[in-house]
Amino acid sequence: NAGVMQNPRHLVRRRGQEARLRCSPMKGHSHVYWYRQLPEEGLKFMVYLQKENIIDESGMPKERFSAEFPKEGPSILRIQQVVRGDSAAYFCASSPRPPGTTYEQYFGPGTRLTVT
Amino acid sequence: GQSLEQPSEVTAVEGAIVQINCTYQTSGFYGLSWYQQHDGGAPTFLSYNGLDGLEETGRFSSFLSRSDSYGYLLLQELQMKDSASYFCAAPPSGAGSYQLTFGKGTKLSVIP
Repeated sequence: NAGVMQNPRHLVRRRGQEARLRCSPMKGHSHVYWYRQLPEEGLKFMVYLQKENIIDESGMPKERFSAEFPKEGPSILRIQQVVRGDSAAYFCASSPRPPGTTYEQYFGPGTRLTVT
Repeated sequence: GQSLEQPSEVTAVEGAIVQINCTYQTSGFYGLSWYQQHDGGAPTFLSYNGLDGLEETGRFSSFLSRSDSYGYLLLQELQMKDSASYFCAAPPSGAGSYQLTFGKGTKLSVIP
């Protein structure tokens, strides 16, 4: 059973460009979470999605950031008009059951975004 | 909201025992998880304590005291490969909240 897949692993964008980060959860997992991690910091929750639904996006900036988890295909985290402050590692995690029934999340290898 | 405090760095000798503490302040509390992350790697789930007491999984144990708002991760028979960052994390604190809140992490260095 393949783990959580993320691509690309490294992404370089110039200021003002768009960044698209992809996440394929583990097989059978329909709950996806996105986190951002700055160097020497913990992970900061951004958004929680189930198939085709955004359940909690309270950790995601209101502007420039969006997320989706379509019926078919990977979950996408989209950052429009990137700025230098968006440079970070973005991790996706998945779980087989919703929060409250499990607190174990399986993380992907992350996408390191660098904005130049 | 939730806030978790951990020491930023710990150094221990190979073969020894080390304890990484985590104190928390939350508006509601359901338990404490622990994750390990090697440099450049993905966080990996280690344990979850939903009730007070000690949970043991091989060389790793985790403890929770809800009355003291405190937990710890205990690593025994330290190996060089245990050098990593360790994060405590608290599950969502209220209805409609799904945020897993992480501490800033403790960087463990195991020395020969």
